Amino acid sequence: NAGVTQTPKFRILKIGQSMTLQCTQDMNHNYMYWYRQDPGMGLKLIYYSVGAGITDKGEVPNGYNVSRSTTEDFPLRLELAAPSQTSVYFCASRKEQGTGITYEQYFGPGTRLTVT
Amino acid sequence: AQKVTQAQTEISVVEKEDVTLDCVYETRDTTYYLFWYKQPPSGELVFLIRRNSFDEQNEISGRYSWNFQKSTSSFNFTITASQVVDSAVYFCALSEATNYGQNFVFGPGTRLSVLP
Repeated sequence: NAGVTQTPKFRILKIGQSMTLQCTQDMNHNYMYWYRQDPGMGLKLIYYSVGAGITDKGEVPNGYNVSRSTTEDFPLRLELAAPSQTSVYFCASRKEQGTGITYEQYFGPGTRLTVT
Repeated sequence: AQKVTQAQTEISVVEKEDVTLDCVYETRDTTYYLFWYKQPPSGELVFLIRRNSFDEQNEISGRYSWNFQKSTSSFNFTITASQVVDSAVYFCALSEATNYGQNFVFGPGTRLSVLP
């Protein structure tokens, strides 16, 4: 299993541009999460999803949108990028239903985004 | 509301010293889960351990050990005979069973530097 994969690894955006951060997991996990980690800080939850077609806001959702059309994919959309969105973005997943429930989250390698 | 406090922002030790990273949590739930993650300089988040609220047994894994005490709401992490490769930021996290999807709260992290 590749686990949780994220693309791109790095990106520089100009103010006002838009982009989508991709996240895919191949572990058949139903729960997926997006976090941001600002320099020297902990992780803050942006959005999460408990399954395909179901998403909900976390602590810091403003300026972002998500969708979950499949179990595997959970893209994060940034509209009208702002310097305050400069951060490292982590996608994570875990399994809640059926057998093999995982209470811990498994993280992707992160996407480092700079908005100038 | 749930909260995780890691009062030690940065710790420096010399190789082979023992070091304890403190974690204090707040929750109203009687069932919850505690976690430790490691973030090495490469940036990925590595799951280390999970502990259930109903299991206060301490755990040892090689040079790592964890001391869970419900009476003081603490879940401390000790590295014995530290090594340079232990240098990383360590995060403690809490998840309440009653609000699983949304509430996975991270502490601010403790940066550990192990000097040769």
